Amino acid sequence: QVQLVESGGGLVKPGGSLRLSCAASGFTFSDYYMTWIRQAPGKGLEWVSYISTSSTYTNYADSVKGRFTISRDDAKNSLYLQMNSLRAEDTAVYYCGKDGSQYYYGSGVDYWGQGTLVTVSS
Amino acid sequence: QSALTQPASVSGSPGQSITISCTGTSSDVGGYNYVSWYQQHPGKAPKFMIYEVTNRPSGVSNRFSGSKSGNTAYLTISGLQAEDEADYYCSSYTTSDTLVFGGGTKLTVL
Repeated sequence: QVQLVESGGGLVKPGGSLRLSCAASGFTFSDYYMTWIRQAPGKGLEWVSYISTSSTYTNYADSVKGRFTISRDDAKNSLYLQMNSLRAEDTAVYYCGKDGSQYYYGSGVDYWGQGTLVTVSS
Repeated sequence: QSALTQPASVSGSPGQSITISCTGTSSDVGGYNYVSWYQQHPGKAPKFMIYEVTNRPSGVSNRFSGSKSGNTAYLTISGLQAEDEADYYCSSYTTSDTLVFGGGTKLTVL
């Protein structure tokens, strides 16, 4: 069965950096687009970034562009999110998700991890 | 990219049907048949309920159905059950090659 397990969250000071990881299993990781989505405490879902197969394409929400970098290692079945210049408003649970299609982006996130909490505070 | 517009809350009694709307623009909901719906119970990760406007993933009850008209998508839940009480989010692909989510709708089963 598909499993996505995030790690790397924690408490970081404003301006600091953090690298999130997502370990995937139960499907052919290299065949699928992957996505990061976040949810601030008590708030709704916010799309953060996606990466295509073979890392050919990436895109970011305006709120994180220039500060966050998404990457993947297909040999390790892992997805990453490097987060720099963190702000208080980046505080959220970060979910990694598998896209439902192998061929295009946007069909929906069919599997989600359990999330990892990032808290940005002094 | 502005969030899609959903009602903050809806409610219904067991056995009834409810519909949640999700309004966007021609740059997202109206421009693509890539609308998805997610169910989220408190403290849990979202669950994939509907994809590409009308399709149900395997394992999702046929009490859940999706539709779209113009720039607005809809999620209908028929035969409401207590376990349907949750937050529901829509999302759409956009012309900017991103996803955008709705603000979420809290469903209360009376």
